[in-house]
Amino acid sequence: GDSVTQMEGPVTLSEEAFLTINCTYTATGYPSLFWYVQYPGEGLQLLLKATKADDKGSNKGFEATYRKETTSFHLEKGSVQVSDSAVYFCAAKSSGDKLTFGTGTRLAVRP
Amino acid sequence: NAGVTQTPKFQVLKTGQSMTLQCAQDMNHNSMYWYRQDPGMGLRLIYYSASEGTTDKGEVPNGYNVSRLNKREFSLRLESAAPSQTSVYFCASSTGTGSYGYTFGSGTRLTVV
Repeated sequence: GDSVTQMEGPVTLSEEAFLTINCTYTATGYPSLFWYVQYPGEGLQLLLKATKADDKGSNKGFEATYRKETTSFHLEKGSVQVSDSAVYFCAAKSSGDKLTFGTGTRLAVRP
Repeated sequence: NAGVTQTPKFQVLKTGQSMTLQCAQDMNHNSMYWYRQDPGMGLRLIYYSASEGTTDKGEVPNGYNVSRLNKREFSLRLESAAPSQTSVYFCASSTGTGSYGYTFGSGTRLTVV
């Protein structure tokens, strides 16, 4: 089955710093890839997605590019804000309907 | 607002008690899911339902049962709660196969003492 590996947290940054959260996947074929965000006390929300190689998903200043050659989907943001503090989950979906999630990376942004 | 609604939001149970977590979606989605979230473990799939009338085990089904009551509702039952079932439970739904993601509810925080 699919598996998703993402960098261990927590990641602590100062406001306006550059963010990268690494994510790699193992899957048969070419899965769709997702990033979800979970704010404190809330459920997961879809942040962005990409469905084929070289696609770039983007939303709220976050971006991730589907890299087939490195089986990666790293999340980036050029300038983080305190309000970006949350847990970020990478996920993959190949055949069928089940999403496979990574273990999540907690981001804390200091003012 | 359209989405996934879970009840209750918080619950404390004594060991051995039973309870049912309720989930309903109003997006006409075919598939529904129950996950548990534990610190350091990410999300683990308990059960899922690909369509009305069908249910299947996920990664951690032991100690749980589910019912897909109709297309909208998917409930999770703990017959005899154990402290190891202390967790945050999330329900999610999706349209089905393809590049669509899931829509999640806001969660139920369950403590078993």
